[in-house]
Amino acid sequence: GIQVEQSPPDLILQEGANSTLRCNFSDSVNNLQWFHQNPWGQLINLFYIPSGTKQNGRLSATTVATERYSLLYISSSQTTDSGVYFCAVYGNKLVFGAGTILRVKS
Amino acid sequence: GAGVSQSPSNKVTEKGKDVELRCDPISGHTALYWYRQSLGQGLEFLIYFQGNSAPDKSGLPSDRFSAERTGGSVSTLTIQRTQQEDSAVYLCASSTGQGAYGYTFGSGTRLTVV
Repeated sequence: GIQVEQSPPDLILQEGANSTLRCNFSDSVNNLQWFHQNPWGQLINLFYIPSGTKQNGRLSATTVATERYSLLYISSSQTTDSGVYFCAVYGNKLVFGAGTILRVKS
Repeated sequence: GAGVSQSPSNKVTEKGKDVELRCDPISGHTALYWYRQSLGQGLEFLIYFQGNSAPDKSGLPSDRFSAERTGGSVSTLTIQRTQQEDSAVYLCASSTGQGAYGYTFGSGTRLTVV
C-alpha cells in the first residue's frame, strides 16, 4: 500500500517563527490533504492539494505530485497553531502519515 | 446536520463486553469512514462505505470488529468481547464521494477498556 512519511516528527517553535513541514509519499495519488488536530483531538481539514500551491492566511501548502512530496508552511506561528499536523493521501482510501507534533511557545 | 456527529463521546467498558459506537454523517455525504487513533499515534483506517457498494473492510483488525451503515446514512461500529488493546479514539469521517474534497471528521469516541 501507499506509504506516507512526515518530517520532522516533532517541532518546538517560539511564537512568531516560521516553519516548514514535509510529507513524502510512495506512489501516485489522486488527492492529498493536510489536517490539523488540535489539543482537544478535533481534526480540521486545512488544504485539499493534489498539486500546485494554495494559501490560506498564514498557512500555505505546495504539492509536487511528480516528485511525490508536499510541504506545509506556517508563517508567524501562534500558540493556537499547536497540535498535530497530518498529511493524508488518497489511493483508494485516505492513508495518514504519523504526523508532526508542533508546539508553539509564547 | 451541520457536521459529523459521533456518540458517545466517551465510553468506559469492562473487558469482554460488547460496545457500539455511532456516527451520523453530514447529510448528503455518500462516503463514510471509520478510523482508530491510539494514544500518540496516527490514524489507522478501519472501514469505508461508499453509497450502495460493498464496504471496504480491509482495515478491520479482527473479526470482533464489524460495522454497518443503514439507509446510506448513520453507521454503527461494533466491537465484541472488548480487549484492553481496543482502547483508543474512534473517529468517523464523511465526504461527498470517493477521493473527493472535504473529508470532515467527527469529534470521536474515546473508548477505554478496563
